[in-house]
Amino acid sequence: GAVVSQHPSRVICKSGTSVKIECRSLDFQATTMFWYRQFPKQSLMLMATSNEGSKATYEQGVEKDKFLINHASLTLSTLTVTSAHPEDSSFYICSARDLMGEGNTIYFGEGSWLTVV
Amino acid sequence: KQEVTQIPAALSVPEGENLVLNCSFTDSAIYNLQWFRQDPGKGLTSLLLIQSSQREQTSGRLNASLDKSSGRSTLYIAASQPGDSATYLCAVGFNQAGTALIFGKGTTLSVSS
Repeated sequence: GAVVSQHPSRVICKSGTSVKIECRSLDFQATTMFWYRQFPKQSLMLMATSNEGSKATYEQGVEKDKFLINHASLTLSTLTVTSAHPEDSSFYICSARDLMGEGNTIYFGEGSWLTVV
Repeated sequence: KQEVTQIPAALSVPEGENLVLNCSFTDSAIYNLQWFRQDPGKGLTSLLLIQSSQREQTSGRLNASLDKSSGRSTLYIAASQPGDSATYLCAVGFNQAGTALIFGKGTTLSVSS
C-alpha cells in the first residue's frame, strides 16, 4: 500500500540552528502534503499545506519565515525549522493525499521528534 | 470552522471490558472519518476509515460507526486488552484535494490487567 516516509525520526539541535525534515511519498504522487505539529499530550495541529510547485499555505499563527516549506517534486516536501528555539521542540508529522488511491486516503509519515537545546 | 471533539479525554478500564470512544464534529459535510491509534512517543497508526456514504467499518475487535447527519462517530473496542492502551484520535476529512484532516484531541485509554 501507499507509504509516506519521514526523516529524520529524531533530531537534536542547538538553539539558533536550522533543521530540515523530509517527507516522501514512496509509491504515489502527492501534489499536496500537510505538516502537523504535536506538543506533549496535545492533538495534532495543522501547520501548513504544502503544494507542489507553489507556495505553501500556512495556518493562522504559524510563522512562514520560521517554518520554511518546499515542495519541489511530486514525492518530496521538506519542512525547515529556522533559527530553532527550545519552544520549537515538538513532534512534527507530515501526511500526503493519494488522489488515485481508494477513498482519497491521506497517509501519514512516522513523525519527527525535534529537541532544541 | 470544523471542530472535532472527543469524549472522554481519558479512560481506564480493566482487561476484558467492552468500551466506546466518542467523536463529534460540527460540520457534517465531511468526506470521510478516520480513527487512529498513537502510542506514546510514536506516530499514527490508521485503524479504520469510514467514507461518508458508509455507516460503519469493522476490523477485528474494532468497530467504528458514523452518523454523518448528527455529526457523530463511535469507536467500539471489544474485549479490551492491555495492548490496547494508547491514545485514540478521530479525524475528519473533506473531499477537496487541498484540505487536511482535522483532528480531535484524542482519548487516552489505559487497560489494566
